[in-house]
Amino acid sequence: QQQVKQSPQSLIVQKGGISIINCAYENTAFDYFPWYQQFPGKGPALLIAIRPDVSEKKEGRFTISFNKSAKQFSLHIMDSQPGDSATYFCAASMAGGTSYGKLTFGQGTILTVHP
Amino acid sequence: SAVISQKPSRDICQRGTSLTIQCQVDSQVTMMFWYRQQPGQSLTLIATANQGSEATYESGFVIDKFPISRPNLTFSTLTVSNMSPEDSSIYLCSVPGTGNTGELFFGEGSRLTVL
Repeated sequence: QQQVKQSPQSLIVQKGGISIINCAYENTAFDYFPWYQQFPGKGPALLIAIRPDVSEKKEGRFTISFNKSAKQFSLHIMDSQPGDSATYFCAASMAGGTSYGKLTFGQGTILTVHP
Repeated sequence: SAVISQKPSRDICQRGTSLTIQCQVDSQVTMMFWYRQQPGQSLTLIATANQGSEATYESGFVIDKFPISRPNLTFSTLTVSNMSPEDSSIYLCSVPGTGNTGELFFGEGSRLTVL
């Protein structure tokens, strides 16, 4: 019930291409879905997040698409750049009450963008 | 977002010893969270550190192994006790963003290698 499944495990994209990472969750009580970007030797950095009352959120080249009925959400990186090469984690949580801050993370996707 | 500083950034430890990791935040926060990231793996919540009360541990983590202190609203420590090679991980401190948004921000992590 608490799992968040992320795919693919690794992804190779050419510069300028679109990177797509998918996540699926089981717990319908989750109401906050962030994506984190992690470079080697660094902590995860919050990239973009969405709540289930909207189906899409865009910030610059990064877009989250959310499908509540399918319990799936995805990260799209448009015009991918070599500097986007990192590990990406999706996560989910119940943002309120005693579950605040308790993120359940996906397994991570290693993105490599070739120049 | 808050500035989160962790010490040490990395350490190599001997089996059977204990190490205390410090987390300092540049603003007062009610809750602080400790996560573990095993090599090549995702992040898992260890415990929630509450100021003025005992830490709340997640399933699979116990106070004897991971004692936590929270002496004030800007500081917390996590001790990894009686270490074994299986404890080799990155330990990450995290704090919520301002407002009840669900946002969670991470420090750079403390990378422990146990020989």
